[in-house]
Amino acid sequence: GAVVSQHPSRVICKSGTSVKIECRSLDFQATTMFWYRQFPKQSLMLMATSNEGSKATYEQGVEKDKFLINHASLTLSTLTVTSAHPEDSSFYICSASQGATEAFFGQGTRLTVV
Amino acid sequence: GEDVEQSLFLSVREGDSSVINCTYTDSSSTYLYWYKQEPGAGLQLLTYIFSNMDMKQDQRLTVLLNKKDKHLSLRIADTQTGDSAIYFCAERASGTYKYIFGTGTRLKVLA
Repeated sequence: GAVVSQHPSRVICKSGTSVKIECRSLDFQATTMFWYRQFPKQSLMLMATSNEGSKATYEQGVEKDKFLINHASLTLSTLTVTSAHPEDSSFYICSASQGATEAFFGQGTRLTVV
Repeated sequence: GEDVEQSLFLSVREGDSSVINCTYTDSSSTYLYWYKQEPGAGLQLLTYIFSNMDMKQDQRLTVLLNKKDKHLSLRIADTQTGDSAIYFCAERASGTYKYIFGTGTRLKVLA
């Protein structure tokens, strides 16, 4: 199957700083990428959908100025958590889709804000 | 609205069969998936089924779909300790990329 790689897998940052998470499709061109957030022992919550070269579409309740998403190429999307606070600590997972097919998931990034 | 529900926990003995259940509400769902998530890891696609199918078998995994009742199940035969994980069902409607995930079922396999 297709491979989606996320980096970093774990990150600890100080409160008030910004953190960038990368999501790469390694062996296919991803026209659409998705960012999810997973709270402990809970399901995945879709945060936003991004299409290459256009602005991301955010789900209701997700602050677009807080979670900046860039999808500049067909193989890379980034999620930047700006001015992170402890309540932003979570597991973030990306997925990538090539056209109207299934999406492939990255291994996730555990963000801890101290 | 769209909603996908699963029981939270399941505990089985090694060698027994596990059955994880899922109910969904979106009748336009075309694809239904089962994912496995091990601690601290991302999601691994186990199997999926099209809505026009009733059953799909893949080695130890059997997926049953009751479209009338909007009920999906995953049966794992000969469950092993390595199967201990969280299992998510997910639905997706044709023509969309949006996945709706269930709440996840934590499977614990006792040796």
